[in-house]
Amino acid sequence: GENVEQHPSTLSVQEGDSAVIKCTYSDSASNYFPWYKQELGKRPQLIIDIRSNVGEKKDQRIAVTLNKTAKHFSLHITETQPEDSAVYFCARGGGTDKLIFGTGTRLQVFP
Amino acid sequence: KAGVTQTPRYLIKTRGQQVTLSCSPISGHRSVSWYQQTPGQGLQFLFEYFSETQRNKGNFPGRFSGRQFSNSRSEMNVSTLELGDSALYLCASSLATGETGELFFGEGSRLTVL
Repeated sequence: GENVEQHPSTLSVQEGDSAVIKCTYSDSASNYFPWYKQELGKRPQLIIDIRSNVGEKKDQRIAVTLNKTAKHFSLHITETQPEDSAVYFCARGGGTDKLIFGTGTRLQVFP
Repeated sequence: KAGVTQTPRYLIKTRGQQVTLSCSPISGHRSVSWYQQTPGQGLQFLFEYFSETQRNKGNFPGRFSGRQFSNSRSEMNVSTLELGDSALYLCASSLATGETGELFFGEGSRLTVL
């Protein structure tokens, strides 16, 4: 019940296109949903997060949406650029539970 | 402010040996989490420590253990190494407990078991 499913595992887009990564969870106690970006050979870094009392959050070209009823949340990247190429991880946490990550999505943006 | 520091960065061991990895969190951070990263498996949670107490533990065998010291530095130990333990071990620190706040990751310790 604590796993997070993340899709797709790989995603290739043309520069300027949008990219969407989706995650689903099963633990209804989850109330914190961060997204981390890991560039090749580097450490994961938080890019955006959302809490359960909010349905959507935007930060420039990235946005996250949350549907608590359906237990899924998504990362949207608009106007993709080559520097967006990385592995993206979704995660869920809440209460006294641990932060659990999805298996990652490798995004490639072709110029 | 210095980031999360992990040592050693790279190490090679043989099956049956044991290994100790060290993590120094960002100054002022009291929570330290450990994750195992392997291709295709993402970031798998090992354990989290807060103020020297283990708060949570992942689904790893008892060969994996950890501890946290009074200065918040943390160590993890893997005994009786197996080939499947080859991975990048990431440590992350946070101000509060990790499940509701930003994690700051170290660069990791890459373990190869031969």
